[in-house]
Amino acid sequence: AQTVTQSQPEMSVQEAETVTLSCTYDTSESDYYLFWYKQPPSRQMILVIRQEAYKQQNATENRFSVNFQKAAKSFSLKISDSQLGDAAMYFCAYRKLWGAQKLVFGQGTRLTINP
Amino acid sequence: NAGVTQTPKFQVLKTGQSMTLQCAQDMNHEYMSWYRQDPGMGLRLIHYSVGAGITDQGEVPNGYNVSRSTTEDFPLRLLSAAPSQTSVYFCASSFFREAGIAFFGQGTRLTVV
Repeated sequence: AQTVTQSQPEMSVQEAETVTLSCTYDTSESDYYLFWYKQPPSRQMILVIRQEAYKQQNATENRFSVNFQKAAKSFSLKISDSQLGDAAMYFCAYRKLWGAQKLVFGQGTRLTINP
Repeated sequence: NAGVTQTPKFQVLKTGQSMTLQCAQDMNHEYMSWYRQDPGMGLRLIHYSVGAGITDQGEVPNGYNVSRSTTEDFPLRLLSAAPSQTSVYFCASSFFREAGIAFFGQGTRLTVV
């Protein structure tokens, strides 16, 4: 079975600085998707970024980028120029490429932005 | 376009009571699923459906039932509520072809006393 591990329960960063959230996963599949979801206090789950495992290029969405290391099964999220609105729980998630779209989530990292 | 709508947003139940959490989506998504979120454990899959009339169990299905009679609706039933079912519940839906882009409802916070 696939597993996703986020080893940092909490992180904090100064506003305008850069922070990196870590995620590792375990799978025997060669093709899959990885995601970062943001959950602000409103509880809404918001997709931040997606990475296809068959693509070598790291995904980027504005201030958010990932460092995808397939051999190491590592998928970290970098947030540049941190803003107060980035404060939230962040979840790393995995999904097989084919078959039922079951997402496997990590435990989450709570990110605090210090003004 | 409302997306994924969950009702209610909050609910308190007594042990042994039953209830149904409602989930509806208006995006014609084939795939729908229910997750529960507990502190320190992320989201865990309860049940899922790949289309009307087709459901299957996820990681933590015990104590829950589902059915999918239409594409739009995917209710989650708690048969006899237990304190261990105190959690936040999320419904999600997606197309098969839009690989992995799941849309989530706003969640239901359920407390069983």
